[in-house]
Amino acid sequence: GNSVTQMEGPVTLSEEAFLTINCTYTATGYPSLFWYVQYPGEGLQLLLKATKADDKGSNKGFEATYRKETTSFHLEKGSVQVSDSAVYFCALTSGSARQLTFGSGTQLTVLP
Amino acid sequence: DARVTQTPRHKVTEMGQEVTMRCQPILGHNTVFWYRQTMMQGLELLAYFRNRAPLDDSGMPKDRFSAEMPDATLATLKIQPSEPRDSAVYFCASGLGAEDNEQFFGPGTRLTVL
Repeated sequence: GNSVTQMEGPVTLSEEAFLTINCTYTATGYPSLFWYVQYPGEGLQLLLKATKADDKGSNKGFEATYRKETTSFHLEKGSVQVSDSAVYFCALTSGSARQLTFGSGTQLTVLP
Repeated sequence: DARVTQTPRHKVTEMGQEVTMRCQPILGHNTVFWYRQTMMQGLELLAYFRNRAPLDDSGMPKDRFSAEMPDATLATLKIQPSEPRDSAVYFCASGLGAEDNEQFFGPGTRLTVL
């Protein structure tokens, strides 16, 4: 079956620091990969996605590259801001299954 | 500004009571999902509809949970009878149904069963 393993949190960084949140997956076929973000008290929002190997998704300074050889989709940002504080979820869909399979989430706190 | 709406946003009830949560998907979306979020289990899929037909409800405890789409603008999740272990945030999401399509999440219903 499908599964997503995500870096354990919480992660605390100073403003302007470099961020990496690791994500690896197991899936049948060729999954589509996503990063969702959840701000306090809100639902999840799509941050970025990649649908085939070597694709790079990017949005709001965040990037992630679909690496089929390492089955990974690590999230990176070169310089985080306080407003990036949230919970980040790696997820995938695969084959006929349209539902998202989520990782456990990583809480990010950015300090001024 | 198209959004998924959910009601109520918060619900506190006593064990044994019936709880109904409602979701209005984005107009034109043909897939609807119900997820449950808890600290211990994270995000779990409960049920999934396409064109109002249930496709997967394997994640849902059948003896007490039921999910329906009486029409294209309304999805409901019902718990009867509710138990304290049902306390969680319940999210509805909708999408256009392709594998790589974004799912749009509602703000959630925070349920507390005493």
